[in-house]
Amino acid sequence: AQKVTQAQTEISVVEKEDVTLDCVYETRDTTYYLFWYKQPPSGELVFLIRRNSFDEQNEISGRYSWNFQKSTSSFNFTITASQVVDSAVYFCALRRTLYGGATNKLIFGTGTLLAVQP
Amino acid sequence: EAQVTQNPRYLITVTGKKLTVTCSQNMNHEYMSWYRQDPGLGLRQIYYSMNVEVTDKGDVPEGYKVSRKEKRNFPLILESPSPNQTSLYFCASNRGGGSETQYFGPGTRLLVL
Repeated sequence: AQKVTQAQTEISVVEKEDVTLDCVYETRDTTYYLFWYKQPPSGELVFLIRRNSFDEQNEISGRYSWNFQKSTSSFNFTITASQVVDSAVYFCALRRTLYGGATNKLIFGTGTLLAVQP
Repeated sequence: EAQVTQNPRYLITVTGKKLTVTCSQNMNHEYMSWYRQDPGLGLRQIYYSMNVEVTDKGDVPEGYKVSRKEKRNFPLILESPSPNQTSLYFCASNRGGGSETQYFGPGTRLLVL
């Protein structure tokens, strides 16, 4: 079975603190894709990053960084020097690759609500 | 601007009154999907389409219908809405292939009384 677990329901930090959002996934596939999306209070879903299962390089984009560890089935997201504008719900998602991607389904975790206090 | 649009953004209706939520994308994507978001459950796929006239069920298809008569449009139809369909709905589109990123519309908040 495919599953994504975001054990942290809510996190509250003070501005400028670093914060890590955890994501653990389950899959028996050897090829798969992992994603992070941000949902700000306005409600839309904003794509942040995609990582395939063959690429375990960490990624850094400005204040954002992602740590993909296949050995622990984790794809954690760190925000450095958090800002109030980072306040949002963050979703981790898994997508299988099967028969050319025919399932086209993202399997989402339940999300982590990040509140950054000024 | 590349985007996925949904209408309406907010809708209040009553049980049993048929409604349609429209979705349109201007990126010439083959794949389109509908998801619903509920507290504590994340997002779950309702239906998806791989191309014109090709649709299939996702994880929670009961009570919903879709059609894909044109590549750009993928409407979600609730023939007889019930209160348990009160939710936040998202349409998404992506190019074909397992690796492609899904891009989401702004969401439609539906309340069924």
